[in-house]
Amino acid sequence: DAGVTQSPTHLIKTRGQQVTLRCSPKSGHDTVSWYQQALGQGPQFIFQYYEEEERQRGNFPDRFSGHQFPNYSSELNVNALLLGDSALYLCASSFRTRTETQYFGPGTRLLVL
Amino acid sequence: GDSVTQMEGPVTLSEEAFLTINCTYTATGYPSLFWYVQYPGEGLQLLLKATKADDKGSNKGFEATYRKETTSFHLEKGSVQVSDSAVYFCALRVGTGGFKTIFGAGTRLFVKA
Repeated sequence: DAGVTQSPTHLIKTRGQQVTLRCSPKSGHDTVSWYQQALGQGPQFIFQYYEEEERQRGNFPDRFSGHQFPNYSSELNVNALLLGDSALYLCASSFRTRTETQYFGPGTRLLVL
Repeated sequence: GDSVTQMEGPVTLSEEAFLTINCTYTATGYPSLFWYVQYPGEGLQLLLKATKADDKGSNKGFEATYRKETTSFHLEKGSVQVSDSAVYFCALRVGTGGFKTIFGAGTRLFVKA
């Protein structure tokens, strides 16, 4: 049983560019949440997707957007990249939004130069 | 707003010592509380959880009790091992319809043989 998978594992972009990160949830899961983890910090909640809709959002600007597909996989898009967007981006999946237990993927490390 | 505050690290202990990592929270409503652990080179994983006041979460010898009166969820272990060396994150989960998880900054634990 595959766990949560994310791609790519690493990415280097320059300021002003756009990036798309991808996440496949654990088998049987239908809810995906995204987090940004800066070096030495705890993960910060970006948003949660369920039934292809954004259900909850953290304090991130509109440059951060997402999508969930019918097969429950998800994308995180970041426009107009800033140096401060450099971080580890984590995806977590669960069954339904109310389920307490989330399973995290290994993350995508984004470096913005 | 909702937030989690945990003791700063690093915490360095000798094997078999007693561990306490303090965590306090601020939240509206009735959050669920969690401890997550990130071992070196591995992804974030759930260690234990408690969903209502006075609940005690436990796993792998670790324990934490949901104290609503003191808004705390301190992590304890009676006898740590070298293999417990990791970063520990306290977190809370709130929301209606959609849910968000708020993490603390993390506490790095080093256990010496």
